[in-house]
Amino acid sequence: QSALTQPASVSGSPGQSITISCTGTSSDVGGYNYVSWYQQRPGKAPKLMIYDVSKRPSGVSNRFSGSKSGNTASLTMSGLQSEDEADYYCCSYAGSSTYVFGTGTTVTVL
Amino acid sequence: QVQLVESGGGVVQPGRSLRLSCAASGFTFSSYSMHWVRQAPGKGLEWVAVIWYDGSNTYSADSVKGRFTISRDNSKNTLYLQMNSLRVEDTAVYYCAREHLRYRDLDVWGQGTTVTVSS
Repeated sequence: QSALTQPASVSGSPGQSITISCTGTSSDVGGYNYVSWYQQRPGKAPKLMIYDVSKRPSGVSNRFSGSKSGNTASLTMSGLQSEDEADYYCCSYAGSSTYVFGTGTTVTVL
Repeated sequence: QVQLVESGGGVVQPGRSLRLSCAASGFTFSSYSMHWVRQAPGKGLEWVAVIWYDGSNTYSADSVKGRFTISRDNSKNTLYLQMNSLRVEDTAVYYCAREHLRYRDLDVWGQGTTVTVSS
């Protein structure tokens, strides 16, 4: 149950696109199409942004998109806005009803 | 509206016990698997445990196995986390979260309750 690996920080200017990677193993990310992404603002609970690798819940901006290749999933934010500043966590199903989170990435809008 | 409200956090000495509760409202609690997720100060999210919708199965992270027990009372729409033999490293904000009915994601989260383990 090792945490998935994410970059500690990613930054971009308003309007730019950024991508956050999430690397696991064949026992989690690579083994299931059940990767989700969560946004967490300081002092707040996480918010679901992407589920099943690339699906967006109702109400989440289409500027957010997800993908996966092998053992690595990615979250892309296009048209970066100041409100996107937050911590982002990936999460993967790991079998037997268990889950594993990523190490987290702080997104900064320059 | 759909809501999860945690309670029961506090300051406790190492080796002692604490029970967290999560009150659910606005949805059919007995239809959903429920999770506990924690976040140590300044750290990332850590999955802790899950219980199936009917309580028939539970699974937990290796870091808490044998010390923490997840349970639920569907008649009271409440989720629990019994934490025994607490360690300093268990200090964290504990969130309860609902697993989506059809997808493997956590679609509803509570606001969290803080547990501090300190002598």
